[in-house]
Amino acid sequence: RKEVEQDPGPFNVPEGATVAFNCTYSNSASQSFFWYRQDCRKEPKLLMSVYSSGNEDGRFTAQLNRASQYISLLIRDSKLSDSATYLCVVNVYGQNFVFGPGTRLSVLP
Amino acid sequence: GAVVSQHPSWVICKSGTSVKIECRSLDFQATTMFWYRQFPKQSLMLMATSNEGSKATYEQGVEKDKFLINHASLTLSTLTVTSAHPEDSSFYICSAPTSGRPNEQFFGPGTRLTVL
Repeated sequence: RKEVEQDPGPFNVPEGATVAFNCTYSNSASQSFFWYRQDCRKEPKLLMSVYSSGNEDGRFTAQLNRASQYISLLIRDSKLSDSATYLCVVNVYGQNFVFGPGTRLSVLP
Repeated sequence: GAVVSQHPSWVICKSGTSVKIECRSLDFQATTMFWYRQFPKQSLMLMATSNEGSKATYEQGVEKDKFLINHASLTLSTLTVTSAHPEDSSFYICSAPTSGRPNEQFFGPGTRLTVL
């Protein structure tokens, strides 16, 4: 089983749609959780950290369920500019970051 | 946020040559840096962890004699792909974590290597 797994995608959604990405991790010692986005041929950029209480940043909402070792990202009112690959990233403090395989999102006009 | 630079951003070389890629943390010190490789339509795969003042730690399956890593200072790590071959063509990305909690990591812009 991979350390971090994500929805296989791709997701093709119309502008304005709400889309949710799921991620599961296998290492129960994981302490930090992030969502990154990566545009084609570019480096990953931090979208948001994920906190135990859940957190929201504008149209983006992240949730963490430690018991289920599950992380989610919800994008509301999707824009064309949201088209990218979304990477779930998990870290055990002091160790390397583990990336999920990513889920590609295409927002269509 | 913290800035990490990489140089060069792209390189094309002949098979058998060696290529050096630099990764710098511009406004913070990084005792640890990570080197990743990403093939088309695949996720980032950690190659090695670069440690300032000590040897790098390589992931399973990564040849340490082929991918030489030197963490020369608290702001610079270099990856040298020795005797590059076409199968080494990839997108190489470095990153440096911050020391805060939750610790985040900042990525360099990547180096696209094409070996002919």
